[in-house]
Amino acid sequence: EADIYQTPRYLVIGTGKKITLECSQTMGHDKMYWYQQDPGMELHLIHYSYGVNSTEKGDLSSESTVSRIRTEHFPLTLESARPSHTSQYLCASTLGQGGSPLHFGNGTRLTVT
Amino acid sequence: RKEVEQDPGPFNVPEGATVAFNCTYSNSASQSFFWYRQDCRKEPKLLMSVYSSGNEDGRFTAQLNRASQYISLLIRDSKLSDSATYLCVVIRTGGSQGNLIFGKGTKLSVKP
Repeated sequence: EADIYQTPRYLVIGTGKKITLECSQTMGHDKMYWYQQDPGMELHLIHYSYGVNSTEKGDLSSESTVSRIRTEHFPLTLESARPSHTSQYLCASTLGQGGSPLHFGNGTRLTVT
Repeated sequence: RKEVEQDPGPFNVPEGATVAFNCTYSNSASQSFFWYRQDCRKEPKLLMSVYSSGNEDGRFTAQLNRASQYISLLIRDSKLSDSATYLCVVIRTGGSQGNLIFGKGTKLSVKP
């Protein structure tokens, strides 16, 4: 079983609040990813990192930001939550070497009221 | 045209049926291939890697055709518990998206 953890599991928050979604992995993986997924829809990459101090935006425009100060930690922050941010956020990591699969956390389901 | 394409389905099959999904990719720099399974409102979970020579895990068989640029997943003797969305994942060199490209998924529904 992969060791990648997301907290909180569920979050209901009011518009305008600042929130941070946590993601940690204990596998020493260099590459980490954040995806956004609405129910029944495809995954959209919003951020990724290839290692400490490396962060890139994905293909889906997002008002969130990320940081990668430590290998094991890749938090995602929304400065001012809006109802349009309501979605499931999935964190994933991989060793990044040939043939290494992606391991997912169990997700954070965010509802902004 | 999307870089990785899957038939979205849904595939509605009876228990015990054999069902096959294909996934096509357009970038010849694609290196690694995987099938993931995603249950409703859950995270994707690795079902199996896809090797050049083809590989089998119980009722599941995965194959790669580099010449035609597609991978396939065959499920034999379908169970009710196989109902899920099956995602094709391609890892390639260069480009954006962190080098990981997901298909949109194929939905499978196995009926009694």
